[in-house]
Amino acid sequence: EVQLSESGGGLVQRGGSLRLSCAASGFTFSSYAMSWVRQAPGKGLEWVSAISGSGVSAYNADSVKGRFTISRDNSKNTLYLQMDSLRAEDTALYFCAKNRGNSCYSGLDYWGQGTLVTVSS
Amino acid sequence: DIVMTQSPDSLAVSLGERATINCKSSQSILYTPFNKNYLGWYQQKPGQPPKLLIYWTSTRESGVPDRFSGSGSGTDFTLTISSLQAEDVAIYYCQQYYSAPQTFGQGTKVEIK
Repeated sequence: EVQLSESGGGLVQRGGSLRLSCAASGFTFSSYAMSWVRQAPGKGLEWVSAISGSGVSAYNADSVKGRFTISRDNSKNTLYLQMDSLRAEDTALYFCAKNRGNSCYSGLDYWGQGTLVTVSS
Repeated sequence: DIVMTQSPDSLAVSLGERATINCKSSQSILYTPFNKNYLGWYQQKPGQPPKLLIYWTSTRESGVPDRFSGSGSGTDFTLTISSLQAEDVAIYYCQQYYSAPQTFGQGTKVEIK
């Protein structure tokens, strides 16, 4: 059974940093791209970042480019999102999601429950 | 960036009736070498993460009831619920994964009339 479990969220001051983690199990982690998607309170879904199965290719939304870094450790079956220079508009529930294939250009077939990031001003 | 626009923003349908949600992309998301439209549909119920319903425009994810179907090509796409059930009350999102940044539509809220 595929399981994704996010952690690392919390309350942080504007300009601060957080590192989110997503522990994966139930599938061959290195064979699949992984993504982060966020949802501000009461709002829609916003794609944030994606990384290929090998970790060689990574992509970010314009809104987080230069501030957020996606990475993965295939030996630990874990996905990360390093979030720096946080802004109030980064406040959201952050979901980790598994892509359907090794490419980032695929649908998201499994999602975690999310971890809440709150940036105070 | 590709902008995804859904319509309507909300709709109320009687139980057993058809619900239709439209999604329009600001540019084609058809990758012609593969003849695939890079579009997915997701369902999100309150307090839950999104669930993938449809990928490659029209392929149902495993376990998704066949009352859900997707169609379209190029820039215009549709999600159809052929006979609305009470458990289908949710917000539905389309997503293009043709190019980065990948983008979602704003969502369509489906309710029972």
